[in-house]
Amino acid sequence: AQRVTQPEKLLSVFKGAPVELKCNYSYSGSPELFWYVQYSRQRLQLLLRHISRESIKGFTADLNKGETSFHLKKPFAQEEDSAMYYCALLGGGADGLTFGKGTHLIIQP
Amino acid sequence: NAGVMQNPRHLVRRRGQEARLRCSPMKGHSHVYWYRQLPEEGLKFMVYLQKENIIDESGMPKERFSAEFPKEGPSILRIQQVVRGDSAAYFCASSPGTGRPGELFFGEGSRLTVL
Repeated sequence: AQRVTQPEKLLSVFKGAPVELKCNYSYSGSPELFWYVQYSRQRLQLLLRHISRESIKGFTADLNKGETSFHLKKPFAQEEDSAMYYCALLGGGADGLTFGKGTHLIIQP
Repeated sequence: NAGVMQNPRHLVRRRGQEARLRCSPMKGHSHVYWYRQLPEEGLKFMVYLQKENIIDESGMPKERFSAEFPKEGPSILRIQQVVRGDSAAYFCASSPGTGRPGELFFGEGSRLTVL
């Protein structure tokens, strides 16, 4: 069975500080990992995908198969980064994404 | 492009009644997904549909829940004889079915409250 774990329900950091949102997954095959974000009063939307190896809004995430992790990082947090962040896994077979429970990121001024 | 549209946004039902949630995918999208979010929980996959076909319903409860995506009109998630435990936010997402797997476009959700 596939599973996504986000151990932190809430993460609070000061503006300008580095941010790391943790995500670990469990999947026997070769997964595709994603980060989705939901800003206040907005819809859930895709932030980035590991396959693209891109940096979006200063965020990056590296897939570490040895540690089965896909942590989301940003070197300098900004107030507009405050949001709910969900890690998600796309496994084989079912085409639905498996989501973690989410981490509420609060950036303090 | 109006995005994924869900209605109603809020629905209140008494135990034993039926709830119908509707989802119109983005224009050009033929794949629809339903997710449920219980309080303090993440999004749980329920069902994946294409037009007139259920592709994967592995996340759907075996009883009382059904989903359809007809040739014409929105996708419908139907919950019969609702119970208090069905109270949740139900999210619909769509994708074009080509290009980028895993890139879903979400609606704003329908919040069901069962009294």
